[in-house]
Amino acid sequence: EVQLVQSGAEVKKPGATVKISCKVSGYTFTDYYMHWVQQAPGKGLEWMGLVDPEDGETIYAEKFQGRVTITADTSTDTAYMELSSLRSEDTAVYYCATDSESGSYYFDYWGQGTLVTVSS
Amino acid sequence: DIQMTQSPSSVSASVGDRVTITCRASQGISSWLAWYQQKPGKAPKLLIYAASSLQSGVPSRFSGSGSGTDFTLTISSLQPEDFATYYCQQARAFGGGTKVEIK
Repeated sequence: EVQLVQSGAEVKKPGATVKISCKVSGYTFTDYYMHWVQQAPGKGLEWMGLVDPEDGETIYAEKFQGRVTITADTSTDTAYMELSSLRSEDTAVYYCATDSESGSYYFDYWGQGTLVTVSS
Repeated sequence: DIQMTQSPSSVSASVGDRVTITCRASQGISSWLAWYQQKPGKAPKLLIYAASSLQSGVPSRFSGSGSGTDFTLTISSLQPEDFATYYCQQARAFGGGTKVEIK
């Protein structure tokens, strides 16, 4: 059974950095891209970026470019999303998701989500 | 960048109703479109991919159609568990969502 298990909720101050993990099981980690999606409270879904765990190559959405870093650790089958210079607008649930046909962007497996609250 | 526009933003319907949600792309995307269902506090769930292919395990009352710029998600007979928010997606762009509420 494919599982994506994310780290727990975080509370951060403005200007801080948050790093969320997404540990996978049930499939070969390097076979599929890992994506990250943001959902602000009561709002829609926004794609942030992806990593190819096989070679570490990344693509980021323009909106987050320069503040987001997505990495993959093949020794622990874990992907990470780091978001820096946090502001109140970054308060959101962050999801990791895979597209089992890498590059299709059809996200068939999702993590449970991690709530990040940015507050002074 | 491609923009995805969904309509309506919300719809009130009764159990057994047929519900149709539309999604328009700002430029032609062939059949590269997915539909997701999201319930409160849960991750989205893939329903339809490649515009009209039903994801494994998804009930057949869900169907998708369209190509190019105009797409449709249809729920043929709304069930109690279908009250949720639905999103279309083309690669890195999501639609704004359609909330299906109980009438």
